[in-house]
Amino acid sequence: DAKTTQPTSMDCAEGRAANLPCNHSTISGNEYVYWYRQIHSQGPQYIIHGLKNNETNEMASLIITEDRKSSTLILPHATLRDTAVYYCIVSSGTASKLTFGTGTRLQVTL
Amino acid sequence: NAGVTQTPKFRILKIGQSMTLQCTQDMNHNYMYWYRQDPGMGLKLIYYSVGAGITDKGEVPNGYNVSRSTTEDFPLRLELAAPSQTSVYFCASSWGPGGPGAIQYFGAGTRLSVL
Repeated sequence: DAKTTQPTSMDCAEGRAANLPCNHSTISGNEYVYWYRQIHSQGPQYIIHGLKNNETNEMASLIITEDRKSSTLILPHATLRDTAVYYCIVSSGTASKLTFGTGTRLQVTL
Repeated sequence: NAGVTQTPKFRILKIGQSMTLQCTQDMNHNYMYWYRQDPGMGLKLIYYSVGAGITDKGEVPNGYNVSRSTTEDFPLRLELAAPSQTSVYFCASSWGPGGPGAIQYFGAGTRLSVL
């Protein structure tokens, strides 16, 4: 599975959009991009995934560049409850194995 | 629909003791996983299973054993506990390989201390 690079930490004001970048320059054609988050010490929570096209669900939007070498997770109106570690994971899902890095620690402030 | 349930939530072990961490899922998922997470670090895969009777090693399997006799249950056995096994353990499950099927659902975790 391709390696990902994320910033260590980011801050966002409550009510503003949080844009979390992820670089995956070695991604293969059959690999998906998955985003999870982990609030405090809870179990990771799935947010969204995509292959080529941009995706949106009730939690977030995922923007994947045309060359698929990077992506951005967008939380449109961040709240204090969105403070968490966000993981960007690339996987072909052959055995559904996911490799978690250290992620981006997002701090949402008043 | 409870999802993925892990027991116990907390446990303190003495060095050399053994224990089994329980994990059960009610989503009829084929795939199940065990991860550990050390403080400030990402999750590391210990073992995984693609179906009843089939298990395979992940990144950090030493000191652990698993079995998968049913679709629902995937217990993790610690033999001869060591301080290096102090960690938070997460169990997860998914439908199958690729795309939406590979989305993993996690339990709340078991916090284990070995003293």
